[in-house]
Amino acid sequence: ETGVTQSPTHLIKTRGQQVTLRCSSQSGHNTVSWYQQALGQGPQFIFQYYREEENGRGNFPPRFSGLQFPNYSSELNVNALELDDSALYLCASSLDSSSYNEQFFGPGTRLTVL
Amino acid sequence: SQKIEQNSEALNIQEGKTATLTCNYTNYSPAYLQWYRQDPGRGPVFLLLIRENEKEKRKERLKVTFDTTLKQSLFHITASQPADSATYLCAAASGGSYIPTFGRGTSLIVHP
Repeated sequence: ETGVTQSPTHLIKTRGQQVTLRCSSQSGHNTVSWYQQALGQGPQFIFQYYREEENGRGNFPPRFSGLQFPNYSSELNVNALELDDSALYLCASSLDSSSYNEQFFGPGTRLTVL
Repeated sequence: SQKIEQNSEALNIQEGKTATLTCNYTNYSPAYLQWYRQDPGRGPVFLLLIRENEKEKRKERLKVTFDTTLKQSLFHITASQPADSATYLCAAASGGSYIPTFGRGTSLIVHP
């Protein structure tokens, strides 16, 4: 059983650019959630995908968007990057969208916006 | 607004002692709380979940309590080891909600 993987590991972009981050969920999991973790802070929920549909969204602007594919892997897209978008982006998968299910986090993608 | 508060100061303890970490919540009635461990540069790892109708949960050297009167959860690691050194995150969610709110975490440093 493979765990949650994310790519790339690190990324450097400039303000105004666009970025796509990728996540492969754990085998058998159909739900993926994305989080933003700024330095010294806890993860902040961006959104969740369940069976290819957005299933909930946190307090993030529309320039943060996502996709989930039939194999349940997922992408996070961020347009018009701002300096404050610099953070660790975490993906977590779970068996389904039930709130009591354990989430399995990937190692994250460290995004730096210059 | 809903808040989850954890002590931002690092907790330093000696090996073999019990570490106790605190999570307080305000403007909130969470149906459950979760505790995670996070090592530098890594994603959080789930440790324990405790529901509002449970007072205490144990797993090996770990113990979590949930006091809805004090609006607080305590996380204990008994017989602590240097390998327990990490940041511990508390997360809470309302019943039926899949959107957890995380605290900023507390760093635990266990000295040999």
